[in-house]
Amino acid sequence: EIVLTQSPATLSLSPGDTATLSCRASQSIINYLAWYQQKPGQSPRLVIYDTSNRATGIPARFSGSGSGTDFTLTISNLEPEDFGVYYCQQRSNWPRTFGQGTKLEIK
Amino acid sequence: EVLLVESGGGLVQPGGSLRLSCEASGFTFNNNGMSWVRQAPGKGLEWVSGHSGISTNTYYAGPVKGRFTISRDNSKNTLYLQMDSLRVEDTATYYCARDLKSGTDGITYFQQWGQGTLVTVSS
Repeated sequence: EIVLTQSPATLSLSPGDTATLSCRASQSIINYLAWYQQKPGQSPRLVIYDTSNRATGIPARFSGSGSGTDFTLTISNLEPEDFGVYYCQQRSNWPRTFGQGTKLEIK
Repeated sequence: EVLLVESGGGLVQPGGSLRLSCEASGFTFNNNGMSWVRQAPGKGLEWVSGHSGISTNTYYAGPVKGRFTISRDNSKNTLYLQMDSLRVEDTATYYCARDLKSGTDGITYFQQWGQGTLVTVSS
């Protein structure tokens, strides 16, 4: 099973800042990685898939990069609605697995 | 508009059974892979099981293999999860999720999610 390790666990930033979230895989997953955002009491929402493709309706301030085992989600010019918990997920191997999450909170 | 509506959750004793349903609308159900993803209270996401949209292939996570069975009725646009031999650690909100890629085998990413149904396993 591929283990995804996210860092940091919590990121405290202000609106207008740039957020950098990391996801490291226990073995190469090529570029088969997605990012999800979840707000309290809500279902997750797909943000990025295949490392760098924005999902429908996701603004351009969200970008993804990486390959192999190291991946990054960057959110530029943070808006209040961007805060929540972000999870990475891989589709390279079975079973599909998620990272433990990074909480992006307002400073 | 895509809608995924889960039902069937509730309180069950350890060793008991429960069947979850997910009624889908707003897209071509029989062309899409579908999955169940769960989230224990205050915890992260865990993929549980998936069903291919274009074949009978099914997939399971290790902790539920042999106890849970995923199925679908394309005539009713409904996905199911039969959960047997339930354990305390199966307590979670169970989400139904539509795969990102249509017309392909396997499970990739989850582009739409239902609101979830809570399963509590406790004596």
